[in-house]
Formats: sequence, structure tokens, C-alpha cells
Amino acid sequence: GDQVEQSPSALSLHEGTGSALRCNFTTTMRAVQWFRKNSRGSLINLFYLASGTKENGRLKSAFDSKERYSTLHIRDAQLEDSGTYFCAAGASSGSWQLIFGSGTQLTVMP
Amino acid sequence: EAAVTQSPRNKVTVTGGNVTLSCRQTNSHNYMYWYRQDTGHGLRLIHYSYGAGNLQIGDVPDGYKATRTTQEDFFLLLELASPSQTSLYFCASSEGTGGSYEQYFGPGTRLTVL
Repeated sequence: GDQVEQSPSALSLHEGTGSALRCNFTTTMRAVQWFRKNSRGSLINLFYLASGTKENGRLKSAFDSKERYSTLHIRDAQLEDSGTYFCAAGASSGSWQLIFGSGTQLTVMP
Repeated sequence: EAAVTQSPRNKVTVTGGNVTLSCRQTNSHNYMYWYRQDTGHGLRLIHYSYGAGNLQIGDVPDGYKATRTTQEDFFLLLELASPSQTSLYFCASSEGTGGSYEQYFGPGTRLTVL
């Protein structure tokens, strides 16, 4: 089965509100990376975490390797936050591959 | 910050056509990757390499060849393109040593096979 399960698959928010995206892992992962795919189709690096939490502006991410999950919190959502968000995780096997979730399509509405 | 460039940005070919997608990274990263991304799916790994002359098979390699000619350059080859290979292709690089998995992505190449 899928090693990275991302939820929700789609999310609608009104401007100024917030929510959280989540990725659950079926095995122990060493690190997680979060991306946003923008309107031009480019992948924008949001966070890379090997543990703990990181915050950047209105975004905050957490990674718990032991509990096998990562979250991405968005607060005070803006229209420009719309896009597809992906998490990707690196397994503990020593492989340098990332395993991607299937993405969350976020729509921020006025 | 890592710089990864891809060319062409858009490509249209016909079934049976021969296509080469190019990727260059300028940060002396060891690892380079080719992914495809289809609507409703995450990125799926086609091939990757940990150095010049090296090639590793990814999760969806059928119909694709790849070659890493230098530390900087990684090419994806479709020798008999099929409509099922219509997709958005991303190249990425990562240091691959020192425990960092962090990958840096190129802007993507949109390939259409008619």
C-alpha cells in the first residue's frame, strides 16, 4: 500500500481562515518535505524537516518520525495560497528517494 | 539556493516519436531524479542517478531511458513516445550525503504525445 497518505485531497477555505493538512506514514521516515505547486506548475519548496517544527510566515509544519506523521498548518489564508500542496518523505532505509503523497488541492475563496 | 533548470518547457510530439528532456543543476549535488506528475497523483519516480555514468531504476521506468553524462546533466529519453506518456515531468537534485533528503526541483516540462 501507499507509504505516504495525504489528507484531505481537497480543501476550501475562506480568506482569513486556517486549516491543517496531514500526511501519515506507514513506515518510519527520516525526513519530510512540503511543496506547493503554483499556478505556473512549478514546485515551490515550503519546508524540509528531519524533526520538530518549523514556521515561515503564515505556514507552520511539524514532523514526528516516531508517530509517523507530518502536518502543514496554514493560518490567515490568502487567495495566493491556492494551489496543490504535496508532502514527500524520505524512508529510513538509506535510500535517497522521496515518496510523495497524492496532494491536497487548496482553494481559497474571497 | 539550488538551481535546477529544464528544457524544453513544453514539447509536443506524435506517437512513436523520439523525445529527449534535459536537466541541469549547478550546485554539485550528487543525486538527480526524474519524476512524472499526473493530475490526481503525486510525483512518481522514473529514474535517478547518484553520479555521472550511474543510473538507478525508479518506480515507473517502463518506456523511459535516462543518462547522466556529467555531475550537472541528466537526460530523460523517450524513444517511442506513447500517449500514456503525456505528463508533466520534473527533474530534481539533492545533495544525498550528510543525511539530507532535501530535493530541489526544476520548473517542469509539459510533454504532450498526440
